[in-house]
Amino acid sequence: EPEVTQTPSHQVTQMGQEVILRCVPISNHLYFYWYRQILGQKVEFLVSFYNNEISEKSEIFDDQFSVERPDGSNFTLKIRSTKLEDSAMYFCASSDRTGGRYFGPGTRLTVT
Amino acid sequence: QQQVKQSPQSLIVQKGGISIINCAYENTAFDYFPWYQQFPGKGPALLIAIRPDVSEKKEGRFTISFNKSAKQFSLHIMDSQPGDSATYFCAASIGGGSNYKLTFGKGTLLTVNP
Repeated sequence: EPEVTQTPSHQVTQMGQEVILRCVPISNHLYFYWYRQILGQKVEFLVSFYNNEISEKSEIFDDQFSVERPDGSNFTLKIRSTKLEDSAMYFCASSDRTGGRYFGPGTRLTVT
Repeated sequence: QQQVKQSPQSLIVQKGGISIINCAYENTAFDYFPWYQQFPGKGPALLIAIRPDVSEKKEGRFTISFNKSAKQFSLHIMDSQPGDSATYFCAASIGGGSNYKLTFGKGTLLTVNP
């Protein structure tokens, strides 16, 4: 069964550093998303991406965040200057036209 | 108004019992209500979803009950099994299709004892 993959599974970085989280969506999917989950809290929407542009973003997704689909298979989330409060599990998801979300296993980001 | 409130935070059920998880929402524009199941180390997986034109949807042992007037919906897991032990999230969105934004509840950790 096709699945969304994410790398790395765990990323530790120092405050102020840039991090790039990588995702490989399901190959025939056209819509891509990033969500995050702070430990013990709910899953929160960050951004959706379609046709090589952001279609919607939340108030969390400020200028420190950016997304890119650099090569037609990867979908990346960049955090330019990480803050302690960026520590969370980050989930990538993709969907086809029917809308059903397929989530990846997540990347645990720890900012020290 | 975008919140989805989920309860209980954790639930312990004996094998064969019924697990019930409840969610409530404020925004009457929500019209799509999925439930996700998440096992440790995995991302959330869509379990079952309902739209407000029906009051109940059943898929195998999983049933969603929907009460539009009360703005509440619940997940019932019949004949609960140890393999059902996972975290369950309710969610809601406005509109269907792939461009909708999902708003999640905080999750319920279900433990089914053998």
